[in-house]
Amino acid sequence: NAGVTQTPKFQVLKTGQSMTLQCAQDMNHEYMSWYRQDPGMGLRLIHYSVGAGITDQGEVPNGYNVSRSTTEDFPLRLLSAAPSQTSVYFCASSTETNYNEQFFGPGTRLTVL
Amino acid sequence: AQSVTQPDIHITVSEGASLELRCNYSYGATPYLFWYVQSPGQGLQLLLKYFSGDTLVQGIKGFEAEFKRSQSSFNLRKPSVHWSDAAEYFCAVSSGGYQKVTFGTGTKLQVIP
Repeated sequence: NAGVTQTPKFQVLKTGQSMTLQCAQDMNHEYMSWYRQDPGMGLRLIHYSVGAGITDQGEVPNGYNVSRSTTEDFPLRLLSAAPSQTSVYFCASSTETNYNEQFFGPGTRLTVL
Repeated sequence: AQSVTQPDIHITVSEGASLELRCNYSYGATPYLFWYVQSPGQGLQLLLKYFSGDTLVQGIKGFEAEFKRSQSSFNLRKPSVHWSDAAEYFCAVSSGGYQKVTFGTGTKLQVIP
């Protein structure tokens, strides 16, 4: 099992550009989540999905879109990048049968100039 | 709403000394509790978890944690710290199902020779 994979590992964008962060999992987990990590802030939930076709907002959703067409994939789209979106982004998957223990990907470090 | 407090932002211990990292949570019912570790530039790895039963749980790398309902605490301990334990540690609480997982802001551990 590869677990949770994320691409790219690093990305530099200019203000106003758009991009998609990719996330995939091969554990057949029904839940998937996107977090951002900023110094001193811990991890904050951006969006999550409880199954294919079902997504919802977390605590910091503005400027991001998600979709979930398959169980395996959960891409995060930045619509018009802003410097405030400079962060490290983590995708995680989980399952109710394991009490929502989060399995994390390796992260994407994004810099917006 | 559930919340997690890690009161210590940064802790320094000598190699071989004992360690206790504090975590307090706020949640009305029985929580599901987790400790994760993040080495520099890496993703988050699960150290241990508490769902029910014995309130003292053992994890990987020689760590343990004790759930104390009366104090709303889930402190992480290790009897003898190794230099490789230098990392950032996150406490998290979940209420199960897809209720979001709430993370603390983290405690950065420095280990000195």
